[in-house]
Amino acid sequence: GQNIDQPTEMTATEGAIVQINCTYQTSGFNGLFWYQQHAGEAPTFLSYNVLDGLEEKGRFSSFLSRSKGYSYLLLKELQMKDSASYLCAVLDSNYQLIWGAGTKLIIKP
Amino acid sequence: SAVISQKPSRDICQRGTSLTIQCQVDSQVTMMFWYRQQPGQSLTLIATANQGSEATYESGFVIDKFPISRPNLTFSTLTVSNMSPEDSSIYLCSVADRGGTDTQYFGPGTRLTVL
Repeated sequence: GQNIDQPTEMTATEGAIVQINCTYQTSGFNGLFWYQQHAGEAPTFLSYNVLDGLEEKGRFSSFLSRSKGYSYLLLKELQMKDSASYLCAVLDSNYQLIWGAGTKLIIKP
Repeated sequence: SAVISQKPSRDICQRGTSLTIQCQVDSQVTMMFWYRQQPGQSLTLIATANQGSEATYESGFVIDKFPISRPNLTFSTLTVSNMSPEDSSIYLCSVADRGGTDTQYFGPGTRLTVL
């Protein structure tokens, strides 16, 4: 079956760096997405990786290793507004988006 | 990215009734999807709304319970029929353009409470 694993919850300190991991086992691969979702709001797109390596976008970076079925989202200089759930999703060979359960990130002052 | 709106933003309904949720996009899009999200959980795809033909439903979801329309490339509706308290959830529409990165963009969601 298809599976995406992320930690359920993580805690970090304002100003620090946090890495949220995502491992996947899917039937085929056409890209990996990270979304941010604040409580009570819709998910918003953060990043897309289809080739191995690191994609940097401001304070957020996303890494992909297709051979290892692994990705991470790196958040630098954490701010209180980064408290949210972070969803990992993989586009499989049928172009179906397979969603992880999400990681709730709690930022403490 | 496209601007997506949903109506209503929230509603409280009685058991046994039906509610139709609308999703409007400000530009033509290839793909439109309907999701459900239970509190504290991730997204569950209900169906892909196909323009001019019947929607494609995921396992566990049927047309009689969740009829979907998509009359054109900018609009879709999802009806939650014969509601029960178990249907209380957030319903989200999303859109994507096939041929690019297939990035999905989400509407603001409809928060449904069934009493």
